[in-house]
Amino acid sequence: DTGVSQDPRHKITKRGQNVTFRCDPISEHNRLYWYRQTLGQGPEFLTYFQNEAQLEKSRLLSDRFSAERPKGSFSTLEIQRTEQGDSAMYLCASQGAGETQYFGPGTRLLVL
Amino acid sequence: QQQVKQSPQSLIVQKGGISIINCAYENTAFDYFPWYQQFPGKGPALLIAIRPDVSEKKEGRFTISFNKSAKQFSLHIMDSQPGDSATYFCAALHNAGNMLTFGGGTRLMVKP
Repeated sequence: DTGVSQDPRHKITKRGQNVTFRCDPISEHNRLYWYRQTLGQGPEFLTYFQNEAQLEKSRLLSDRFSAERPKGSFSTLEIQRTEQGDSAMYLCASQGAGETQYFGPGTRLLVL
Repeated sequence: QQQVKQSPQSLIVQKGGISIINCAYENTAFDYFPWYQQFPGKGPALLIAIRPDVSEKKEGRFTISFNKSAKQFSLHIMDSQPGDSATYFCAALHNAGNMLTFGGGTRLMVKP
């Protein structure tokens, strides 16, 4: 499968714990995006990378959220001190030369 | 501010019928308009996309109609099938950025 992959697919954590999600984009796609999707809503943009450079991060929901793409390949999204309001689906998308963003299956987070 | 408004929120269509989903946008700097299909537990998948210099685009049973002056666009699914039952999202891409702004989604059910 050469699509976008995300790991884990599901994560249950207790409030206050830190969580980290991984995204592996389509090979050779230089742009990578993170979105958050809450139940019954459309995805909401969080941040994006071009290669290893994080070009937009003002939409990250709070300073508890951070993302990295250290070698311009896979990316991680970390949420520190999780809150119940962080419960959502976290989606990663990658983009090559055209405009199309290809989404992964998402990581569903439940904060208890 | 909801920059892309989508309607209806839910839609029930008989097999073989036409499903119509509408979107309206406010920002004239949007210049690429994709539609995504999402099944439960999956990430959004691109269906079809259009640029504002084209009034209509057709791919198989899916057609986008675009009205630039009214800042509206719609998705038509011809000969709707039960397998089309999913949530559909319209989206818009700003010409100066890379983040997609999504509508709120339409949950489509096609009855056999």
